[in-house]
Amino acid sequence: DGGITQSPKYLFRKEGQNVTLSCEQNLNHDAMYWYRQDPGQGLRLIYYSQIVNDFQKGDIAEGYSVSREKKESFPLTVTSAQKNPTAFYLCASSIQWGRGTEAFFGQGTRLTVV
Amino acid sequence: GEDVEQSLFLSVREGDSSVINCTYTDSSSTYLYWYKQEPGAGLQLLTYIFSNMDMKQDQRLTVLLNKKDKHLSLRIADTQTGDSAIYFCAESLNDYKLSFGAGTTVTVRA
Repeated sequence: DGGITQSPKYLFRKEGQNVTLSCEQNLNHDAMYWYRQDPGQGLRLIYYSQIVNDFQKGDIAEGYSVSREKKESFPLTVTSAQKNPTAFYLCASSIQWGRGTEAFFGQGTRLTVV
Repeated sequence: GEDVEQSLFLSVREGDSSVINCTYTDSSSTYLYWYKQEPGAGLQLLTYIFSNMDMKQDQRLTVLLNKKDKHLSLRIADTQTGDSAIYFCAESLNDYKLSFGAGTTVTVRA
């Protein structure tokens, strides 16, 4: 079955540690995205990638980093520089770059800093 | 602040119609979307409407667009318990960005 998979579903991190969230898709999509969701707020774009080996900062990129070495993979690293990392993180992909293209979402990773 | 605004909560009786409202700010938006999020899950695209349309109907879902007032609504007919979820309105601002509202939590009561 085609889809987009995020792992792990739950993640706990100690303050000062970096942590990497996995996102894999087998939909052959060019574009991939990372969003952050906080209670009572809409989704905010962290990073996006139009195509393999390319990525751009979104609205709240500070304290995060990404890579796009393979078409199917777009991991997100939450660094110790991110001041308030506890949130629900959603990865998405779309078949191509452009308006109107449907974005498919993963099931999300809930990150808690302890 | 949010470019897309929605009321945060809606309670509806099973079998009744639900109407979720949304206002957006970018008059150049060409696509507007409704996504559904069930607890602990990702977002699922329910439907979308192109800005040159006034209405779109898909089974129990009806989307109305008032471009002059920048107002979008989603009507769910015969609301069921499985419709309990958070519903997000989103607008397509440019080639890549979807701007989401804060989401409306719909609770269906028996």
